[in-house]
Amino acid sequence: EIVLTQSPGTLSLSPGERATLSCRASQSVSSTFLAWYQHKPGQAPRLLIYGASTRATGIPDRFSGSGSGTDFTLTINRLESEDSAVYYCHQFGGWAFGPGTKVEIK
Amino acid sequence: QVQLQESGPGLVKPPETLSLTCSVSGASIDNYYLHWFRQPPGKGLEWIGYMYYSGSTNYNPSLKTRVTISVDTSTNQFSLELTSVTAADTAFYYCARSPMGTFYFDYWGQGSLVTVSS
Repeated sequence: EIVLTQSPGTLSLSPGERATLSCRASQSVSSTFLAWYQHKPGQAPRLLIYGASTRATGIPDRFSGSGSGTDFTLTINRLESEDSAVYYCHQFGGWAFGPGTKVEIK
Repeated sequence: QVQLQESGPGLVKPPETLSLTCSVSGASIDNYYLHWFRQPPGKGLEWIGYMYYSGSTNYNPSLKTRVTISVDTSTNQFSLELTSVTAADTAFYYCARSPMGTFYFDYWGQGSLVTVSS
């Protein structure tokens, strides 16, 4: 089974800065199957990116996804306080998600 | 506006059966895959399994012997049953859907905390 590793574990940044989140797979993953989700406490997880780079409906263009093979990146430009959350990557078909990156806004 | 909402007992005794229902509003569940996930407190997300609205299923091998997902298209709901629960099954349980032919979960429920304790 493919194992997803995310780094860093926690990212603490100021409003307006850029966040770069990494998702690494233990073996090559088709970009078609790679998605990113945002999860805030007490809320439903939200789909951000699918197909590694396609923004879901209603997602601001501050969020972008890239990568292929074993290395994928979620970039959040111009951070806002509402971006505080845990971000997960997932390979559709894999039973486990990545461990998540917690983004804290100072 | 599509919404999913989990419901069910918040406390289950071992080794009883955990039962949750996901009610979907704002759209029919026809032509969707319907999923269940869980997240033990402080741990990662785990995909429990899924069912196509017409009845085919696929379960996480680690839970396969204890899990049943079912659907009721007449009420636009689907359900999760997990038998022989232990404290290790204490978790937030989430439901979600994915459109047929896609490879992501586009709408999720807010989650329901189920504690397994005697």
